[in-house]
Amino acid sequence: GAVVSQHPSWVICKSGTSVKIECRSLDFQATTMFWYRQFPKQSLMLMATSNEGSKATYEQGVEKDKFLINHASLTLSTLTVTSAHPEDSSFYICSATGQGLSYEQYFGPGTRLTVT
Amino acid sequence: AQSVSQHNHHVILSEAASLELGCNYSYGGTVNLFWYVQYPGQHLQLLLKYFSGDPLVKGIKGFEAEFIKSKFSFNLRKPSVQWSDTAEYFCAVRSKAAGNKLTFGGGTRVLVKP
Repeated sequence: GAVVSQHPSWVICKSGTSVKIECRSLDFQATTMFWYRQFPKQSLMLMATSNEGSKATYEQGVEKDKFLINHASLTLSTLTVTSAHPEDSSFYICSATGQGLSYEQYFGPGTRLTVT
Repeated sequence: AQSVSQHNHHVILSEAASLELGCNYSYGGTVNLFWYVQYPGQHLQLLLKYFSGDPLVKGIKGFEAEFIKSKFSFNLRKPSVQWSDTAEYFCAVRSKAAGNKLTFGGGTRVLVKP
């Protein structure tokens, strides 16, 4: 089946620093990748959608200058949380879909970000 | 805009009991429906999905769901749960009108007592 990985799985950073999270599709070409945020005991909230080679489309209320998304290749998308603050602490999950997958999204294992 | 509601936030039951989790969605057009499971410490996994055809969908691990268009519902069922079914379950809907984006329900935490 289609496999999506994320790195790192867990990161702690100091307030004011930036953190980059990688999302990779291991065995398929991901034409579209999605980034979600999941607060404790809550559901997944879509942050943005990125198509390979295009600018990401952000959901309402998501600051695009704070959450920089790059989808430069068909197997890699990155989310950079810039000038992180404690309220950015959350679980970030990516998913990917591609041609021949009936637009089904395959989810990565998530990255837990803690900002101190 | 599409939205999804899951009626139960927490469910506690004993092994061998039957499970039914409710899911209702708001969008009236053509939709694709999904149930995902998230085991403790693990990533989301697809349990089953409905695109078209037979409204009774069978998924992995003995789960099934029934799409009732008139009720905008897609309830998840399992006749006899096991301790290993302890997890969080998410219903999700996708439609072309919403740009093929997945909208998730709030999730239901299921605890199966041995």
